[in-house]
Amino acid sequence: AQSVTQPDIHITVSEGASLELRCNYSYGATPYLFWYVQSPGQGLQLLLKYFSGDTLVQGIKGFEAEFKRSQSSFNLRKPSVHWSDAAEYFCAVGAQGTGNQFYFGTGTSLTVIP
Amino acid sequence: ETGVTQSPTHLIKTRGQQVTLRCSSQSGHNTVSWYQQALGQGPQFIFQYYREEENGRGNFPPRFSGLQFPNYSSELNVNALELDDSALYLCASSDSRQGPGRTQYFGPGTRLTVL
Repeated sequence: AQSVTQPDIHITVSEGASLELRCNYSYGATPYLFWYVQSPGQGLQLLLKYFSGDTLVQGIKGFEAEFKRSQSSFNLRKPSVHWSDAAEYFCAVGAQGTGNQFYFGTGTSLTVIP
Repeated sequence: ETGVTQSPTHLIKTRGQQVTLRCSSQSGHNTVSWYQQALGQGPQFIFQYYREEENGRGNFPPRFSGLQFPNYSSELNVNALELDDSALYLCASSDSRQGPGRTQYFGPGTRLTVL
């Protein structure tokens, strides 16, 4: 069965520090992988996505993620965090076939310390 | 380009009542998916509509139903509300012509509280 695990419920980093949010997935075929960000009271905004090809993908707001098939991981990174990056981050795998549903992880809440 | 919109923003109902939530898809998108996001959880897939028919469903009971209209907008209906139905309901639209794994674009959600 498809599933996504985000091991870190909450992460705190200092402004200007680097960031890595972990995501592990379980999926029988080649996955379509996504990272979304959700600010309080808001919907989900797409940061980046992986379909195929280059395993290092670039997204908006300076984020990048690396797909590692051998580790079933799709970790999100940012070299220097800004205070405005404080939000909830969700990793998702898109299922092929009927419905094209997304399976989401439980999210990682990011706090940025000035 | 108009994004995904949802109405109402907030809603308070009592147990046993029925509720209808509305979603307008992003311009050019023909597919709408609905998700339930309980507090502190990730979104859970309810169902998807394409060509005005249900095209995939998650693990939700039949009292969760939906509609899609010719203009691709959609409604989510929940009957016999239960306390556990309290959640943020998210609508997402996509373009089926982009193939499998296409990006879903989310609306701001409707916060439903069941008392």
